[in-house]
Amino acid sequence: QQQVKQSPQSLIVQKGGISIINCAYENTAFDYFPWYQQFPGKGPALLIAIRPDVSEKKEGRFTISFNKSAKQFSLHIMDSQPGDSATYFCAASLAGSYQLTFGKGTKLSVIP
Amino acid sequence: ETGVTQSPTHLIKTRGQQVTLRCSSQSGHNTVSWYQQALGQGPQFIFQYYREEENGRGNFPPRFSGLQFPNYSSELNVNALELDDSALYLCASSLVRGGRGYTFGSGTRLTVV
Repeated sequence: QQQVKQSPQSLIVQKGGISIINCAYENTAFDYFPWYQQFPGKGPALLIAIRPDVSEKKEGRFTISFNKSAKQFSLHIMDSQPGDSATYFCAASLAGSYQLTFGKGTKLSVIP
Repeated sequence: ETGVTQSPTHLIKTRGQQVTLRCSSQSGHNTVSWYQQALGQGPQFIFQYYREEENGRGNFPPRFSGLQFPNYSSELNVNALELDDSALYLCASSLVRGGRGYTFGSGTRLTVV
């Protein structure tokens, strides 16, 4: 049973545009929601994370929006650049749990 | 400050063989977690080690086992390799137990033929 559903599977955005990736979760006990960025041949790197008591968090060009009632959260990349081309994963974890549960990933391509 | 290093970077094994993958955690991190990432999928939690003891385990069979050493480095051992074990194996270290504050290594790409 997949506990974190991510969409779209792939995304093509023009340079300077806004990239939006969505995730939905099932377990209301999740209390930590990070986004990871992965380049080919590399491990995932933490981009930004949010807790459910906050509706939005912004770090530079990256913003997480969180909707607790809908059990959804999204990553917005403003002013997308070719260097942002990578695979993005949302994830979630429970307090006291040992693991992160990842979505299946979104491959973002930013074209000039 | 060094990051998480994994070795080898690539490996080809035959079905039925055994393999050992290695991970050196980031300086100061005492917790190591292992994840399996199949092609086109998100990472799946295998297990976590804290102070040389298994701290939690995902839905993987017992032929997946691990060790953590006093210097917090870790090994992942897989016995009786199957074709479906072909994946990128990621090691992540952290300062605390649980699923937060991970620093991932670049992984070991295992191919089982």
